[in-house]
Amino acid sequence: DVVLTQTPPTLSATIGQSVSISCRSSQSLLDSDGDTYLNWLLQRPGQSPQLLIYSVSNLESGVPNRFSGSGSETDFTLKISGVEAEDLGVYYCMQATHAPYTFGAGTKLELK
Amino acid sequence: QVQLKESGPGLVQPSQTLSLTCTVSGFSLTSYSVHWVRQHSGKSLEWMGRMWSDGDTSYNSAFTSRLSISRDTSKSQVFLKMNSLQTEDTGTYYCTMGISLAYWGQGTLVTVSS
Repeated sequence: DVVLTQTPPTLSATIGQSVSISCRSSQSLLDSDGDTYLNWLLQRPGQSPQLLIYSVSNLESGVPNRFSGSGSETDFTLKISGVEAEDLGVYYCMQATHAPYTFGAGTKLELK
Repeated sequence: QVQLKESGPGLVQPSQTLSLTCTVSGFSLTSYSVHWVRQHSGKSLEWMGRMWSDGDTSYNSAFTSRLSISRDTSKSQVFLKMNSLQTEDTGTYYCTMGISLAYWGQGTLVTVSS
């Protein structure tokens, strides 16, 4: 199975600060169809996960544009440009290129 | 709008079978896949398997021998059945749709205990 390694495990930020989360894959996530199925999800406390970004850099409908994704092959980054209080929770990267789908261990974003 | 809702027993005895239902609205099961994802308390997410839009299924090999996913398109429902439950199967079970897992149900907590 593909292993996704997220860093850091915990992130402390102030409101307005920009932060980044890294996700590294044990193998390339470039699919034979040319797409790279690496997504980012946010799980707020007590809630279900919510899709933020799909296929590396595509913003899901309704997600604020302070969220952005980048990367290729095995190295990916989620950036939040100006953290807001509603952004607190656990961020997961996940891959859907190789069966089975797998998720990173999560990065918890806290207020400093 | 798209909605998914899981339902099932909150408590299951060890060695018994878990049966969960995911009832969907706002989209057709013949157009989108539905997946089951599990989360142990305070832990990350684990993909269990999926019902494809054409009715085919695929499973995480970690569950293959005891997991079954089926559907009733007339009722817009997808079912999960998993047998030989153990205490380590305790967790929250979600159904979610589409290749990108764009929409999620609220989750249902399953506790395996005697």
